[in-house]
Amino acid sequence: AQTVTQSQPEMSVQEAETVTLSCTYDTSESNYYLFWYKQPPSRQMILVIRQEAYKQQNATENRFSVNFQKAAKSFSLKISDSQLGDTAMYFCAFSYGGSQGNLIFGKGTKLSVKP
Amino acid sequence: DAGITQSPRYKITETGRQVTLMCHQTWSHSYMFWYRQDLGHGLRLIYYSAAADITDKGEVPDGYVVSRSKTENFPLTLESATRSQTSVYFCASLDHSTDTQYFGPGTRLTVL
Repeated sequence: AQTVTQSQPEMSVQEAETVTLSCTYDTSESNYYLFWYKQPPSRQMILVIRQEAYKQQNATENRFSVNFQKAAKSFSLKISDSQLGDTAMYFCAFSYGGSQGNLIFGKGTKLSVKP
Repeated sequence: DAGITQSPRYKITETGRQVTLMCHQTWSHSYMFWYRQDLGHGLRLIYYSAAADITDKGEVPDGYVVSRSKTENFPLTLESATRSQTSVYFCASLDHSTDTQYFGPGTRLTVL
């Protein structure tokens, strides 16, 4: 069965600094999708970034970027120039897409950005 | 409003009562999903639907029933609520062009 592991239950970072959140996953397939979702105190699940496994280039979205290491089955999220609004739970998730589009989530990392 | 909505946002009920959580999306996405979020477990899939009148079980389906008579609606029913079903429930729909799920705002359900 596919699993997603986030080994850091909590992290903190100073405002304006950079932080990296870790995620590893397990699958025997070669085609899949990886996602990072943010859940602020409002509880809304917000897509931060997505990566398609067949693309070697790491995805970036403004201050958010990933380090996708397919062979190592690692998918870390880097947040640059951290802002107070980045304080949230961050979930790593995995999907095969298509008819198997359901997401498998890690247990989350609680990130606190300190002023 | 465009997007995906859930109602109610908060619900308190008693053990043994039937409760229905509503989910509505305006994108005409074929696939829709129900997840529950509990401390220490992240989000877990309850049921999903590939299209109207097509539904299937996820990881934790026991105690839940779903239906999908229209593409835009995907209600989740707890036929006889139990305290273990106290949770936050999220509905999501899948954008097939990007294989990305988008979530509703969630419903916090408390079963006393």
